[in-house]
Amino acid sequence: ETGVTQTPRHLVMGMTNKKSLKCEQHLGHNAMYWYKQSAKKPLELMFVYNFKEQTENNSVPSRFSPECPNSSHLFLHLHTLQPEDSALYLCASSQDVRLAGGQDTQYFGPGTRLTVL
Amino acid sequence: AQSVTQLGSHVSVSEGALVLLRCNYSSSVPPYLFWYVQYPNQGLQLLLKYTTGATLVKGINGFEAEFKKSETSFHLTKPSAHMSDAAEYFCAVSASARQLTFGSGTQLTVLP
Repeated sequence: ETGVTQTPRHLVMGMTNKKSLKCEQHLGHNAMYWYKQSAKKPLELMFVYNFKEQTENNSVPSRFSPECPNSSHLFLHLHTLQPEDSALYLCASSQDVRLAGGQDTQYFGPGTRLTVL
Repeated sequence: AQSVTQLGSHVSVSEGALVLLRCNYSSSVPPYLFWYVQYPNQGLQLLLKYTTGATLVKGINGFEAEFKKSETSFHLTKPSAHMSDAAEYFCAVSASARQLTFGSGTQLTVLP
């Protein structure tokens, strides 16, 4: 595997289900990100981890719970979601968020298409 | 604060015609600017980026963009469109906030 991988690629869940999204990066990076991409809206940054420590939480509802056990893996645990949470969830990685922005390019995975019924 | 505006949510060009996708940014400090492309059912792929130095930046697939500080713009161009260029294109800025701020995207359609 190369780059950033995400599983599953598609997920349908009911509002009472609990599920998890998985992201893995094979680039030797130290920072990982979760983004939400909804139709007709700009990408929304949700969480940022740098060297396994959460550095940013953009006021994301608690029904989304991230986990970063090491610099290569990132999870997004989902529970009690709402239909408006249906979106494409993108994971990204970069070398280190402390680097100046131009030096710290983000590389994206293919995303998980989530549908909440 | 930093922000990005992409003019035109949809752009259509004929195959072989010039592609011009517009991006304007707002930033109180010198920005780093990026263009990403998203093909259907895929994640974002970096096309090119501007950090410092030469203001004309060349990227993959024949795309290039020019940083114009006086116009606060970073428009993306390609001399001759190909059918395979049909995708959604996102401009992004990293400046006062270390994180990327993305524009709303421009869907490019290439007509035969």
